[in-house]
Amino acid sequence: DTGVSQDPRHKITKRGQNVTFRCDPISEHNRLYWYRQTLGQGPEFLTYFQNEAQLEKSRLLSDRFSAERPKGSFSTLEIQRTEQGDSAMYLCASSLGGAGGPREQFFGPGTRLTVL
Amino acid sequence: AQKITQTQPGMFVQEKEAVTLDCTYDTSDQSYGLFWYKQPSSGEMIFLIYQGSYDEQNATEGRYSLNFQKARKSANLVISASQLGDSAMYFCAMRVYTGGGNKLTFGTGTQLKVEL
Repeated sequence: DTGVSQDPRHKITKRGQNVTFRCDPISEHNRLYWYRQTLGQGPEFLTYFQNEAQLEKSRLLSDRFSAERPKGSFSTLEIQRTEQGDSAMYLCASSLGGAGGPREQFFGPGTRLTVL
Repeated sequence: AQKITQTQPGMFVQEKEAVTLDCTYDTSDQSYGLFWYKQPSSGEMIFLIYQGSYDEQNATEGRYSLNFQKARKSANLVISASQLGDSAMYFCAMRVYTGGGNKLTFGTGTQLKVEL
């Protein structure tokens, strides 16, 4: 039984470079979420997919950020022209769909991004 | 807008003792869920326990119980018989179901240290 996986686990880049992260959710989960967590803070919601449709985006997701889930399975998060303020842990989570109820989100180990 | 407040940045507890981690929330919605997650130093968020706004009984999961006081808008986590492995960051989170909401809103967390 595999949980949510993320790749890479760590990424160091120079300011201005583009980076892409990958998330593989739990196989039967149709919902996928991206969060960002900075030091000393709780995770903050970035965006959410149901199957391949991106249904919600936070105002935190500037034009430099784009997320895709082309076949409703894995997802990628790309950051263009990285800035030092983008340094954070990027967490992916997945869950089953359905109205109400717990529908707890299962989190991956995260990708730690450092922008120099 | 939803808000989660965790006022205890750090807590200490002796092994085998019980500890209460505080969480208050703010929402105008009537249908919502409250979650607690544990984040060890490895970074992965681990789901612990869930309480729905319409649940009449407090949730329990093994050594974890949730002290839900709806009128006071509080959802405190109680860990009984603390173990050294309980040392971690603990986050309270909320999901509002009105309008099909899916994102989790997290607090700033409480760092728990279990001592011998």
